[in-house]
Amino acid sequence: AQSVTQPDIHITVSEGASLELRCNYSYGATPYLFWYVQSPGQGLQLLLKYFSGDTLVQGIKGFEAEFKRSQSSFNLRKPSVHWSDAAEYFCAVGAGNAGNMLTFGGGTRLMVKP
Amino acid sequence: EPEVTQTPSHQVTQMGQEVILRCVPISNHLYFYWYRQILGQKVEFLVSFYNNEISEKSEIFDDQFSVERPDGSNFTLKIRSTKLEDSAMYFCASSVLRGNYNEQFFGPGTRLTVL
Repeated sequence: AQSVTQPDIHITVSEGASLELRCNYSYGATPYLFWYVQSPGQGLQLLLKYFSGDTLVQGIKGFEAEFKRSQSSFNLRKPSVHWSDAAEYFCAVGAGNAGNMLTFGGGTRLMVKP
Repeated sequence: EPEVTQTPSHQVTQMGQEVILRCVPISNHLYFYWYRQILGQKVEFLVSFYNNEISEKSEIFDDQFSVERPDGSNFTLKIRSTKLEDSAMYFCASSVLRGNYNEQFFGPGTRLTVL
């Protein structure tokens, strides 16, 4: 069965500092990986996705993530955090077939200090 | 930009009552899903639905739950007899068959509170 681990429950960074959120997955085949962001009281917004090809993927809002098969990781990064990035971030893994479920990690809550 | 919508945004009900949560998926999407998120916990898959049938469901999705696409646009989740532990945020999602991968678009959620 597939699973996702986000080791950091909370992270606090200063505005303008760089950010890395960790995600480790377990999946028997080629994983399809996603990062979603959830602002307070809001739904889940897709930041970026990896299906194949270049292991460094770019997303919205200046985020990027790197797929490392050898480490079973898909860490999310941003070079300079803005106060509006404060939210909860979820990593998810899915099978390649349409209709299959996504398995989410526990989430990382990001707080941004002024 | 097309989006998934859900109604109501917040539903309060008494234990034992039936509730129906409604979703309007993106119009050209073929697959529909329900997920839930208990407060402070991870998002969990409940069920996926395609061609008027359940295609996959989790252990959470027991006989108390049912899904339906009553017309060409709505997708509903019914909980027959709510329990306190059903209190959660329920997210609807939809996806379109595109190649061999599956990008799901989520709605804003319905917060269900069972008293």
